[in-house]
Formats: sequence, structure tokens, C-alpha cells
Amino acid sequence: EDQVTQSPEALRLQEGESSSLNCSYTVSGLRGLFWYRQDPGKGPEFLFTLYSAGEEKEKERLKATLTKKESFLHITAPKPEDSATYLCAVQNDYKLSFGAGTTVTVRA
Amino acid sequence: DGGITQSPKYLFRKEGQNVTLSCEQNLNHDAMYWYRQDPGQGLRLIYYSQIVNDFQKGDIAEGYSVSREKKESFPLTVTSAQKNPTAFYLCASSRGGPPYEQYFGPGTRLTVT
Repeated sequence: EDQVTQSPEALRLQEGESSSLNCSYTVSGLRGLFWYRQDPGKGPEFLFTLYSAGEEKEKERLKATLTKKESFLHITAPKPEDSATYLCAVQNDYKLSFGAGTTVTVRA
Repeated sequence: DGGITQSPKYLFRKEGQNVTLSCEQNLNHDAMYWYRQDPGQGLRLIYYSQIVNDFQKGDIAEGYSVSREKKESFPLTVTSAQKNPTAFYLCASSRGGPPYEQYFGPGTRLTVT
């Protein structure tokens, strides 16, 4: 069974304080690893897809990386508007298996 | 604007009643999905459909039913057989199977008392 574990569960940052979120996974045949951002009471917003170890993707202050067993989402110099829950998911066949998420709070 | 719409945003029902949640997309996507989200847990797949008139059970299909009569629409019925129906329900769509990313609607929060 595919498993996705995200850590930490919650992260409180000062504005400008860079940090990383971890997503470790076990999957029988990885077709893709996805990162989403979710604001309270809303649907997840797609951020990145990573397909193979060594791949990196960037978008504004976010950078996602992938190894054979885990992915990291780096947040560089975060701003309060980066506060959200970040979800990681792995795809095997047609199914996405999600982690429970990391809730990031950035204080001004 | 292309996107996924879910209605209503909030839904309240009495225990024992069936309720249908709407999901419509105008992205011309072939595949559609229903997930359930509970506090502290990852999203869990209820049903998915890769093509019109065809759908498959996900991990937690018991107590739910779906139909896919049109490419744009994938309604979910929460039946009285679902033991813990109160949750946040999310509909998603994608161009096709893997590795295409899934795009999500705004969600419907269902409360059953």
C-alpha cells in the first residue's frame, strides 16, 4: 500500500525565515509526486509535479526537490501570504495518495 | 474561465437522508474524481471516472454512489448507509490518467446531524 508521511505537522515561521517541509513516501511504481497548497475551507491548488529523482521545480519563493524516497518543499524568505497547508501526494496508476499536510504559519 | 464548480458550498442534512453533491468542469478533462477530507487526515479517494459511463471505486466507496452520464459532470450521492458522512468533499479532474496532475474544485462541506 502506498504511504505518504509529511513532517512537521505544523511550522511557524517569522517573515523572511527560510525553511523546508518534508514528504517521505513508499510507492510501488511512482508515476509522479505532486505538491498542492490548500487555504482553509478551500480546495487544494496545484503547485508542482516531479517525476524522477534529482528533478527540481521552482515557483516564486517555493522550490520542490525529489529523491528516491522523499521530496522537500523549500520556502525561501516566506511572506505572510505563504501561510497555508501544503499537501504532498504520490501517484500510482490512477490513484493519488495524499499525506496529511504541513500547516505553515508565517508571522509578519 | 475554465475550472471546476461544486455546489452547494455548505450542505446540512438530517441523518437517514440521501444527499447529492454536484461537480461540473469545463476544462474538457476526461477523468474526474471524488475525495473526502477529514481533519488531520490526508484526502481519501471515494470514486473516480476515466471516461463517460464508466467509474471505479476508490478506497472508501462504501455508502457512496456516483454517475458519469456527461463528460462535464460527476455527481456524488452520499447515502444513508454512510456511517460518518460529515466531512469536506472535494471533486477533481485531470486530462487523463497518470502522470497528469489533478485540479480541484472549491469543495462542499457536508454536515449531517
